[in-house]
Amino acid sequence: DAKTTQPPSMDCAEGRAANLPCNHSTISGNEYVYWYRQIHSQGPQYIIHGLKNNETNEMASLIITEDRKSSTLILPHATLRDTAVYYCIVRVEMAAGNKLTFGGGTRVLVKP
Amino acid sequence: EADIYQTPRYLVIGTGKKITLECSQTMGHDKMYWYQQDPGMELHLIHYSYGVNSTEKGDLSSESTVSRIRTEHFPLTLESARPSHTSQYLCASSEWQRNTQYFGPGTRLTVL
Repeated sequence: DAKTTQPPSMDCAEGRAANLPCNHSTISGNEYVYWYRQIHSQGPQYIIHGLKNNETNEMASLIITEDRKSSTLILPHATLRDTAVYYCIVRVEMAAGNKLTFGGGTRVLVKP
Repeated sequence: EADIYQTPRYLVIGTGKKITLECSQTMGHDKMYWYQQDPGMELHLIHYSYGVNSTEKGDLSSESTVSRIRTEHFPLTLESARPSHTSQYLCASSEWQRNTQYFGPGTRLTVL
């Protein structure tokens, strides 16, 4: 699986958009970008994933650069309940393996 | 919202007791997983299953055992709990050829 690099932490104002960057310069052509988050003491929660096109769902938007070496997760209107650790993971969609490798992630603190 | 459940959410027991952590999902997913996570640390895969009667050990050695008699259930058992087993145990599931894993809320186990 390709390695990802994320900032260790960032703050965001409540009601504003939160833009979370992720670098994955060694990504392969068949690897997807996945985003999960883990709110304190809870199980990780799937947010979104994409291959090369931008994706949007009810939780967030995912913007992937044209060369696919980096991506940005956008929480359009951050709330206090979005405070969590956000993980960017790169993986083939139908991998033979099983585990998800959660690196350090970005600890996001949404402030009032 | 993922339909995957874990019970109990919290468990405090004495050394030497036998315990079973329950995990069930109503999504019909073939693949299920158990992860172990200490506070502030990464998730480590300890068991997984491809389907009924299939169980495999994960990356992190664990004294626990699992069974998969029914698609929707994947219980984890510790025959004799020890303080070193104190941790959070997270169950997840996914469709057969998809990497999107859906996590339960976790069981926080404390062995005294």
